[in-house]
Amino acid sequence: QQQVKQSPQSLIVQKGGISIINCAYENTAFDYFPWYQQFPGKGPALLIAIRPDVSEKKEGRFTISFNKSAKQFSLHIMDSQPGDSATYFCAASMRNTGFQKLVFGTGTRLLVSP
Amino acid sequence: DAGITQSPRHKVTETGTPVTLRCHQTENHRYMYWYRQDPGHGLRLIHYSYGVKDTDKGEVSDGYSVSRSKTEDFLLTLESATSSQTSVYFCATRGGGTEAFFGQGTRLTVV
Repeated sequence: QQQVKQSPQSLIVQKGGISIINCAYENTAFDYFPWYQQFPGKGPALLIAIRPDVSEKKEGRFTISFNKSAKQFSLHIMDSQPGDSATYFCAASMRNTGFQKLVFGTGTRLLVSP
Repeated sequence: DAGITQSPRHKVTETGTPVTLRCHQTENHRYMYWYRQDPGHGLRLIHYSYGVKDTDKGEVSDGYSVSRSKTEDFLLTLESATSSQTSVYFCATRGGGTEAFFGQGTRLTVV
C-alpha cells in the first residue's frame, strides 16, 4: 500500500523556470513531511521539511507548500538551475515515531536543461 | 556523507549464493538502517538497529537478515540471493536528532 503518492515521475524544466513536484498522503496522523534530494551515485539527503502547523516553508529557492485539508504537499524550486538536476523524494511520518516509520514517495527525476 | 562507508559499492552475484553488505560509520550514531531503492518504489526499509545487538524488521525484511555486534558496523545478509533482490541498497545512520544520514549505496545485481 502506497501511503505517499508522488508525481510526476519525471520532469524537465528549463533553466530559470519553476519546478513543481507534488505528493499526496492518506494517513491523517502524519505530521512530519520532509523532502530528500538525491544526486546520481549518492545517497538521499534531507533538503527541507515541514510540519502541518504552517502552510509554507521556504529555504532559499526551495519552498514546501502544505495543504492539510487536501492532504497534499508540494516542493517548488524557483529559478531552477542545472545543478538542481536530481531525484527528489517526498516522505511522511508521525512525529516521535522514529525515522524507521518514515514512508517515502516513489521519487521524481528532475532534469533542468541549460 | 556523515562518515558512512558502504562496502562493496558494486557487486554481481549468482542466484542462491549468500551475500553480505557492510555499513561502517564513524559518527557513533545509535541508530542504523538498511533500505533498498527500486524504480517505482522509492526507498523501502529492510531492517533497522537501535543499538548493539538490537535490531528489528522493516517493511521488506523477507530474505534478509542483519547483525550489529559493534556500534560502528551494521551488516545486511541476503541468505540466498534471488533476482528480485537486485537493487541499490542504502545504509543510513541517526544520532540523537530527528534526521538520518545516508551512505552512497551498494548496487547489487543477482544473475
